[in-house]
Amino acid sequence: DAGVIQSPRHEVTEMGQEVTLRCKPISGHDYLFWYRQTMMRGLELLIYFNNNVPIDDSGMPEDRFSAKMPNASFSTLKIQPSEPRDSAVYFCASSRGTDTQYFGPGTRLTVL
Amino acid sequence: AQKITQTQPGMFVQEKEAVTLDCTYDTSDQSYGLFWYKQPSSGEMIFLIYQGSYDEQNATEGRYSLNFQKARKSANLVISASQLGDSAMYFCAMSPRSNDYKLSFGAGTTVTVRA
Repeated sequence: DAGVIQSPRHEVTEMGQEVTLRCKPISGHDYLFWYRQTMMRGLELLIYFNNNVPIDDSGMPEDRFSAKMPNASFSTLKIQPSEPRDSAVYFCASSRGTDTQYFGPGTRLTVL
Repeated sequence: AQKITQTQPGMFVQEKEAVTLDCTYDTSDQSYGLFWYKQPSSGEMIFLIYQGSYDEQNATEGRYSLNFQKARKSANLVISASQLGDSAMYFCAMSPRSNDYKLSFGAGTTVTVRA
């Protein structure tokens, strides 16, 4: 079975540009999570969905960040406008209910 | 809120020896899950092992075992017979099992296996 798929794997952009990160969860998983990993703050949850509905977005840093899940097999995390402090690795993870969360390979974002 | 503490920022271990990674947690939830993930230098997060708060037996998965001491709120990971490929960052994480499935992570422990 395919694991969680994320694209792009690497993204380099300039400050002020819009960035869109994409995620395809494992088929049959009803929970999808977006995490951010930085040296300073470690791994932190940004938002999660259940059956395509956002449940908790309290970790989203500010209004420049938005996430959507239009269907069970696709989610996006968008940053507009991007800033250098958004540079991080962004992980998507999925799970079936309370089961283990499985992570995608991550997207390494660099904002210049 | 949950808090996960990993006090060992880095450890060295000789190949073929066992290593124990410490993890303590703080929660007011009665039902929760404890997880360990491995993050090699390539960056992916790999699930290793899970322990439920009501599980009476310590979890084991191959060379990985979880030493769960509920009263002490600790969930240490033991890696037996270390291999060079075990060199990585290891994260302890916890999730409530009620109506909130968010994972809270510790700061991680870097393990370096020496030949």
